[in-house]
Amino acid sequence: AQSVTQLGSHVSVSEGALVLLRCNYSSSVPPYLFWYVQYPNQGLQLLLKYTSAATLVKGINGFEAEFKKSETSFHLTKPSAHMSDAAEYFCAVSFPGGSQGNLIFGKGTKLSVKP
Amino acid sequence: ETGVTQSPTHLIKTRGQQVTLRCSSQSGHNTVSWYQQALGQGPQFIFQYYREEENGRGNFPPRFSGLQFPNYSSELNVNALELDDSALYLCASSPRTGALGETQYFGPGTRLLVL
Repeated sequence: AQSVTQLGSHVSVSEGALVLLRCNYSSSVPPYLFWYVQYPNQGLQLLLKYTSAATLVKGINGFEAEFKKSETSFHLTKPSAHMSDAAEYFCAVSFPGGSQGNLIFGKGTKLSVKP
Repeated sequence: ETGVTQSPTHLIKTRGQQVTLRCSSQSGHNTVSWYQQALGQGPQFIFQYYREEENGRGNFPPRFSGLQFPNYSSELNVNALELDDSALYLCASSPRTGALGETQYFGPGTRLLVL
């Protein structure tokens, strides 16, 4: 069955440090991949998505992610964390043959940024 | 351009009752998807509506039902509420058919508490 795994339910970094949030998927066919961010008491906002074009995807707020088929990964990175990046981040996938509109989400990674 | 809006923001019900949640899609979007996000979990796909017809469904029982109206707004109805239905309910709209890879734009959610 298709699935998404986010390693680390909670990641803490210092302001200015590298942010790395991990996402691995399980699928026998190439998926579409998304990263969403959720601030407290808000809905989800799209950071970036991969839809089989360039494997390195740039998103909003300085985030980017690289699709690595051999590793079935789509890790999210940002070179320098800012206090405003503190939020929960969700990796999501949709699969050819899956139910229309069905995004499968990971359990999320809560990012804390220390001053 | 108005984003996705949901009402109410919060709701408290008792076990066995019925509830209706509402969603207005983003201007120009004709597809609405609903997700359930339990505390500490990622969102789970409930179903999707496209041009007033159900266009895909996740692993939720029939007591979860929906409607989409000619103006593309949507309702989620849950009958015979159970304690485990307590969650944040997210609505997302997308501009076309809800095809794989299409971006879904999320509303702020309705937080439902079942006592």
